[in-house]
Amino acid sequence: KNQVEQSPQSLIILEGKNCTLQCNYTVSPFSNLRWYKQDTGRGPVSLTIMTFSENTKSNGRYTATLDADTKQSSLHITASQLSDSASYICVVSARSNYQLIWGAGTKLIIKP
Amino acid sequence: DSGVTQTPKHLITATGQRVTLRCSPRSGDLSVYWYQQSLDQGLQFLIQYYNGEERAKGNILERFSAQQFPDLHSELNLSSLELGDSALYFCASSWTGVNSGANVLTFGAGSRLTVL
Repeated sequence: KNQVEQSPQSLIILEGKNCTLQCNYTVSPFSNLRWYKQDTGRGPVSLTIMTFSENTKSNGRYTATLDADTKQSSLHITASQLSDSASYICVVSARSNYQLIWGAGTKLIIKP
Repeated sequence: DSGVTQTPKHLITATGQRVTLRCSPRSGDLSVYWYQQSLDQGLQFLIQYYNGEERAKGNILERFSAQQFPDLHSELNLSSLELGDSALYFCASSWTGVNSGANVLTFGAGSRLTVL
């Protein structure tokens, strides 16, 4: 069964610190993996999309990595800011039907 | 502003009623997706349309239906509403119906439905 699991479920860190969010998936055959940021009560916003051949992709202070062999991805946030407080959702696309499999998200809280 | 317009922003109604949520996709996008997000839950995919035709179906209840019109806007109809239908309903659009690496979903601000 195609699944996407994220950890931790929630995370609290101090402003200025770095953090890493994890995503494990069982989706096969794999097409691409996306990270979205969702502020409370707002629609998700795309951060990165990575295909099979991409190991790393950056978007400002956000860096996503992908290991297609172990079916793991991570999202690293550098020098966190209060505005980074949000849910971060990992989404994997299956090449067979191109459906998007959504993770439950990691809720990140940045404290001043 | 993402370019995806959803109306209404907020809607309060009673159990047993029927409501219609509307979505105008970003200019140039042919695909529309509907998602449901209950309080503190993840996004649940409901249905996808591409250029007027149903492309994929998720866990959409029989009480719910959707369509995409020739001008590409879409409507999600929710009927015989129950308390558990209270949620944020998001519409997203993309330029193609295939979720390839180049196909980014752009989300609207959502319609918050409260069923009393």
